[in-house]
Amino acid sequence: GAGVSQSPSNKVTEKGKDVELRCDPISGHTALYWYRQRLGQGLEFLIYFQGNSAPDKSGLPSDRFSAERTGESVSTLTIQRTQQEDSAVYLCASSPSTGPANYGYTFGSGTRLTVV
Amino acid sequence: AQKVTQAQTEISVVEKEDVTLDCVYETRDTTYYLFWYKQPPSGELVFLIRRNSFDEQNEISGRYSWNFQKSTSSFNFTITASQVVDSAVYFCALSVGSGNTPLVFGKGTRLSVIA
Repeated sequence: GAGVSQSPSNKVTEKGKDVELRCDPISGHTALYWYRQRLGQGLEFLIYFQGNSAPDKSGLPSDRFSAERTGESVSTLTIQRTQQEDSAVYLCASSPSTGPANYGYTFGSGTRLTVV
Repeated sequence: AQKVTQAQTEISVVEKEDVTLDCVYETRDTTYYLFWYKQPPSGELVFLIRRNSFDEQNEISGRYSWNFQKSTSSFNFTITASQVVDSAVYFCALSVGSGNTPLVFGKGTRLSVIA
């Protein structure tokens, strides 16, 4: 597509429920990144994919968080047993080739997750 | 470990004033890239500039200019003759090496330009 698309744009969920956040990167972009932005805060790295593999999962805050990518395209970030501290905007970004060194990222508009 | 510090949390200026946003970075790598992004109230991050560690030339793009100084590990961003549309949160970011290492972001500086 023309840009990075994320869905849903907003999600309100009850504490303890599982949620899935989706990211459609720009077609042909092999690198895909997930970040979390809490209200008024900076961007916190979660995980990135090169193709369908995830060389760096170091940012995932707990084992309740997981992500996958299929077909070198769509990625899904899953949060199990959501907690109130998971409330944040989850941002996805993609990059054409070998990461930001040459191209920088293109970000999606994010999914605003609210856990009540 | 890499770190980006944006000491200014919030800045407020009157339209047409010049404003400089500070960014200080930390890395032991000799190859790295520095970035600035703008996040307007709509929320979507907009790429502004990329600079590699071997190029210390300053850059000017319209009302925007960037001052990269390796001696002080700083990559400051100046907006000349600020406008209300410049109101946003501005993030400085760092990526080390030349591969896929993720960007490390500063906490951002919220700029408010008042008419």
